[in-house]
Amino acid sequence: GQNIDQPTEMTATEGAIVQINCTYQTSGFNGLFWYQQHAGEAPTFLSYNVLDGLEEKGRFSSFLSRSKGYSYLLLKELQMKDSASYLCAVRGGGAAGNKLTFGGGTRVLVKP
Amino acid sequence: EAGVAQSPRYKIIEKRQSVAFWCNPISGHATLYWYQQILGQGPKLLIQFQNNGVVDDSQLPKDRFSAERLKGVDSTLKIQPAKLEDSAVYLCASSLNSWRGSVDTQYFGPGTRLTVL
Repeated sequence: GQNIDQPTEMTATEGAIVQINCTYQTSGFNGLFWYQQHAGEAPTFLSYNVLDGLEEKGRFSSFLSRSKGYSYLLLKELQMKDSASYLCAVRGGGAAGNKLTFGGGTRVLVKP
Repeated sequence: EAGVAQSPRYKIIEKRQSVAFWCNPISGHATLYWYQQILGQGPKLLIQFQNNGVVDDSQLPKDRFSAERLKGVDSTLKIQPAKLEDSAVYLCASSLNSWRGSVDTQYFGPGTRLTVL
């Protein structure tokens, strides 16, 4: 089965940096995704890691360690619009090659 | 490029009633997914289609939920009869294909918020 853990909620100040951790235990692994979801809206794709290391995309970076079953999403220079839930999702193997299992999401609140 | 379309956006029904949701994926996307997202939780996959065939429906409560994608494009998800615990947002997503080794990002529609009274 799949088990994905991430903190429920985090608070940070505008302009600061926040790191959202995600740990996973899965029966197969074929990539890890991060999605952003504003309240009442659809999740939108942020990043994808399949190899160990850091992927940087503007103010957002994502890191993966497959041996540790660990990833983090780093948000730099926080802006008010970054207040949202951040979803960690693991793509397993098997017949359903693109099946995503999501964590419960981390709600980030950015304060002025 | 148009995104994933879903309708209706909101639906309120009483328990034991039936309800249906519609999804139109991004043009050319072979794979379509239905997710259930209960408030405060991450999305849970209900069913995955590759063209008009079912790839995974292991988490679909088949005694009350059904889904089809007859022509490999649009899809409908039906609940009959609804229970209180079915109150959730039902998200549809699509991706280009489900080949391993590619990013094959899933793009989500705005969802249908279902309230069962």
